[in-house]
Amino acid sequence: NAGVTQTPKFQVLKTGQSMTLQCAQDMNHNSMYWYRQDPGMGLRLIYYSASEGTTDKGEVPNGYNVSRLNKREFSLRLESAAPSQTSVYFCASSEVQGRINQPQHFGDGTRLSIL
Amino acid sequence: AQSVTQPDIHITVSEGASLELRCNYSYGATPYLFWYVQSPGQGLQLLLKYFSGDTLVQGIKGFEAEFKRSQSSFNLRKPSVHWSDAAEYFCAVGADTGFQKLVFGTGTRLLVSP
Repeated sequence: NAGVTQTPKFQVLKTGQSMTLQCAQDMNHNSMYWYRQDPGMGLRLIYYSASEGTTDKGEVPNGYNVSRLNKREFSLRLESAAPSQTSVYFCASSEVQGRINQPQHFGDGTRLSIL
Repeated sequence: AQSVTQPDIHITVSEGASLELRCNYSYGATPYLFWYVQSPGQGLQLLLKYFSGDTLVQGIKGFEAEFKRSQSSFNLRKPSVHWSDAAEYFCAVGADTGFQKLVFGTGTRLLVSP
């Protein structure tokens, strides 16, 4: 099925370890996003990429870096994981058609625990 | 900057009863509005969207929402709830930009009682 694929689905890290979360979409969308979801806080935007070759900070970028590897792939890296980064991470993608912003499509998430 | 408020953290509805989930937004221009649903352990699925035009929009799974500019609201409704509707529901507002940054509400968890 077409959509947004995130790997891994689950991960446990120790404080200070590094990790890269992978995201790939096969819908030929220009824009991609990384969110984190925490209880009672909804989804908060970490970073986004409006198009291939560009990335920008969202609401909560501290402690993260991103790479838009190509049009399909957008990775999120934790250089030195901290317990506060324990969360569920979602990748999403979207497209503009006829100047209308189309809804974002979401992956199933990566559940990350940092001990 | 845009913002979204979902005032109800939890709502319990009997199966077969009607449902209304509240969403209020803050945005200076015409917003793009969305409702997403999230089942446990899953990602977010789009229920419906409002971009312009008819203020009553129909979505999947029998849901509808009404955009009321005067009240800055975009409430989600369903006439008869099914047990499978139990999930978390998120309202989101997007700015009219080329790539659509979304701001999400904190979500409303729907419980369906038999």
